[in-house]
Amino acid sequence: NAGVMQNPRHLVRRRGQEARLRCSPVKGHSHVYWYRQLPEEGLKFMVYLQKENIIDESGMPKERFSAEFPKEGPSILRIQQVVRGDSAAYFCASSSSGTGGWNEQFFGPGTRLTVL
Amino acid sequence: KQEVTQIPAALSVPEGENLVLNCSFTDSAIYNLQWFRQDPGKGLTSLLLIQSSQREQTSGRLNASLDKSSGRSTLYIAASQPGDSATYLCAANFGNEKLTFGTGTRLTIIP
Repeated sequence: NAGVMQNPRHLVRRRGQEARLRCSPVKGHSHVYWYRQLPEEGLKFMVYLQKENIIDESGMPKERFSAEFPKEGPSILRIQQVVRGDSAAYFCASSSSGTGGWNEQFFGPGTRLTVL
Repeated sequence: KQEVTQIPAALSVPEGENLVLNCSFTDSAIYNLQWFRQDPGKGLTSLLLIQSSQREQTSGRLNASLDKSSGRSTLYIAASQPGDSATYLCAANFGNEKLTFGTGTRLTIIP
């Protein structure tokens, strides 16, 4: 059973470029979460998605950031026109069910984004 | 506001000693709490998950407790080893599907 997979593991972008981060959840999991870890800070929730739906995006910056989890394929976190402050580790997690918060979230290895 | 706090930020302990890591949270209406380990530049490894109905969970040399009334969880590590050196994170699920993380305790086991 493969765990949560993220790619790329490392991504370097110049200011103004776009970054696309991919996350494949544990097989059979339909709930995906994205978290961001800024240098020397804790992990912060960004967005919670189910298949084809954004459930909670309260942690997403208002501009330049978007996320999707299509019916087929991985979840994508997209950052447009990246700035140096976007440099961070982005972690994806998945769970089998989100009902009532009972279920464990399994984390991927993260994508480390560096903006030059 | 739902917050999670971990104190101290860093801890050094001689090899072989037992130790306790602390985690406190502001909302007693917690659904579950997870303890993770993070090695430098790496992802998160889940160590233990405690549901709100449970008082503690054990895995090998690790034991995690949960006291909702006092808003505290502890992670007990027995017979510490140099390989236990890492940052330990606790994260609370307050029922809104997202985990709220503490800033972690960086543990160093001194050989």
